[in-house]
Amino acid sequence: DIQMTQSPSSLSASVGDRVTITCRASQDIGYDSAWYQQKPGKPPKRLMYATSTLQSGVPSRFSGSGSGTEFTLTISSLQPEDFATYYCLQHYNYPRTFGQGTRVDVK
Amino acid sequence: QIQLVQSGPEVKKPGASVKVSCKASGYTFISYTISWVRQAPGQRPEWMGWIKPTNGDIKYALKLQDRFTMTTDTSTSTAYMELRSLRSDDTAVYYCARADYGDRDYWGQGTLVTVSS
Repeated sequence: DIQMTQSPSSLSASVGDRVTITCRASQDIGYDSAWYQQKPGKPPKRLMYATSTLQSGVPSRFSGSGSGTEFTLTISSLQPEDFATYYCLQHYNYPRTFGQGTRVDVK
Repeated sequence: QIQLVQSGPEVKKPGASVKVSCKASGYTFISYTISWVRQAPGQRPEWMGWIKPTNGDIKYALKLQDRFTMTTDTSTSTAYMELRSLRSDDTAVYYCARADYGDRDYWGQGTLVTVSS
């Protein structure tokens, strides 16, 4: 199975901050990464797939980049509703695998 | 509006089986894959598999495929997952999702399955 490793595991930030989360794959997955946001007691919500394709309805302050084994989720200006846990996922092969998560909380 | 509504929480003993339902509404059920994802308390989500209601095509996570079955009933727009020979580490929230790429994802509310003696 492909291992997905995120960093950091948690971070504290303020509204308006630029936030960057990194995900490293254990093998080359091309551009087949996705990012999810999850709030307590709710299911995950997909923000983007294929590294940088934003789901409809997701604000443009979210962006993704990378290829191969290293991928990044950037929130350009953190908003109050963005405090949550973020997971990367590889959709290159089966089984799909998630990173361990990055919790973004209030500084 | 598109909704996936799952069955209620379950408490099972080790070795038992559990069957969770996921009733879809607001769209043409056979046109989209249903995926199953579980999440143990405080852990990352774990992909379990998907099923295509239109033709029954299935993909399972290999680690589960001996104990895990996905089915659909197109007459009621309902997907089911059954997990057998339950162990304590199967305790998790189980989600169904309509999550084809190229479209936004829709998730059920989750079903907590607790395995405890």
